[in-house]
Amino acid sequence: RKEVEQDPGPFNVPEGATVAFNCTYSNSASQSFFWYRQDCRKEPKLLMSVYSSGNEDGRFTAQLNRASQYISLLIRDSKLSDSATYLCVVNMRGSGGGADGLTFGKGTHLIIQP
Amino acid sequence: DAGVTQSPTHLIKTRGQHVTLRCSPISGHKSVSWYQQVLGQGPQFIFQYYEKEERGRGNFPDRFSARQFPNYSSELNVNALLLGDSALYLCASSSRIIGGGNSPLHFGNGTRLTVT
Repeated sequence: RKEVEQDPGPFNVPEGATVAFNCTYSNSASQSFFWYRQDCRKEPKLLMSVYSSGNEDGRFTAQLNRASQYISLLIRDSKLSDSATYLCVVNMRGSGGGADGLTFGKGTHLIIQP
Repeated sequence: DAGVTQSPTHLIKTRGQHVTLRCSPISGHKSVSWYQQVLGQGPQFIFQYYEKEERGRGNFPDRFSARQFPNYSSELNVNALLLGDSALYLCASSSRIIGGGNSPLHFGNGTRLTVT
């Protein structure tokens, strides 16, 4: 089983619609979670951290379900500028307690259509 | 304030050659991480350095090495290049060591390496 799994899409969504993606992770000891956004041929940029109680930032809502080991991202009233690849990112502490970096999913490609 | 800067932006090398990629973190950030991103995949962790010491290593062969300098800038070195090393190499800085809580990464624009 891959460490962080996402549906690669593409998700084709009309402008103004609501879209949601899920991401599952394999390590139950994972400590912190993020969504990053990556535009074509650009570097990833932090979209939002994901907190246990769920959190919202404008049109974006992130949820964490530790029992089922998944996180979700909901985008309301989608805009053309939301078209991008959304990367699910998990901080999995190594068994030796070392810093193992962040583990990225392959990303979900979102296309907002006018 | 300048963000994370990487050089060069693009590089073409032939198989068997060696390459050095450079990164300057955001001012005040002591952690630098390196990631490799192959087309169609998410970034894969290579190394993390914090306070000039290696603090984490991903599943990459010994041909990959790195170091961090007293000014917190970093170099990634790859020896004996293979075609499969062609990728976008991303450097990211963070104010804290990854694994020390909620420490998001700030990425540079990356170096696009092509091995022919």
